[in-house]
Amino acid sequence: GIQVEQSPPDLILQEGANSTLRCNFSDSVNNLQWFHQNPWGQLINLFYIPSGTKQNGRLSATTVATERYSLLYISSSQTTDSGVYFCAVTTSGTYKYIFGTGTRLKVLA
Amino acid sequence: NAGVTQTPKFQVLKTGQSMTLQCAQDMNHNSMYWYRQDPGMGLRLIYYSASEGTTDKGEVPNGYNVSRLNKREFSLRLESAAPSQTSVYFCASILMGPTGELFFGEGSRLTVL
Repeated sequence: GIQVEQSPPDLILQEGANSTLRCNFSDSVNNLQWFHQNPWGQLINLFYIPSGTKQNGRLSATTVATERYSLLYISSSQTTDSGVYFCAVTTSGTYKYIFGTGTRLKVLA
Repeated sequence: NAGVTQTPKFQVLKTGQSMTLQCAQDMNHNSMYWYRQDPGMGLRLIYYSASEGTTDKGEVPNGYNVSRLNKREFSLRLESAAPSQTSVYFCASILMGPTGELFFGEGSRLTVL
């Protein structure tokens, strides 16, 4: 099956810093989403982005499907950005939504 | 509009007991999913149902059974719970149409003693 790897696994930032999170996948994908899991365990949809670029406030994401990766950019980070960021994908011909390994982010005040 | 609702939110079982986790969505979605998340780990797919009347195994199906009761409801059953099944369980649903966006419930924390 498809392998979904995220990097870095852990990231510590000072408030106000910028960061880039990466999601690599081993096969072509039909769907790709980014999620934020907050410290209370809730999974929050950030972007649905199987290709192209999207922006929402301080967050933006880019997926280069032909090169099998997606990037999540966080600018001017805030302590509320802390948590775990996951990407999840499906491949052609399947409804299986497989999650990546996650990036644990801690933003210090 | 409640979205995806899971019950119960918390459950403690003894080894060998059985239980069913319930999931219901009110978004008229076609596909539904059950994931488990162990402490400090990512989400692993247990079972999914692409449409009403169908179910398929995910990455970690052993020890679980599922039922797609109707379009709204997808239940997960543990027939004989084991300590290795201690985890947080998430249900999710998707329209799998133009956007393919997955929506999650709030999770059910299960402890098996």
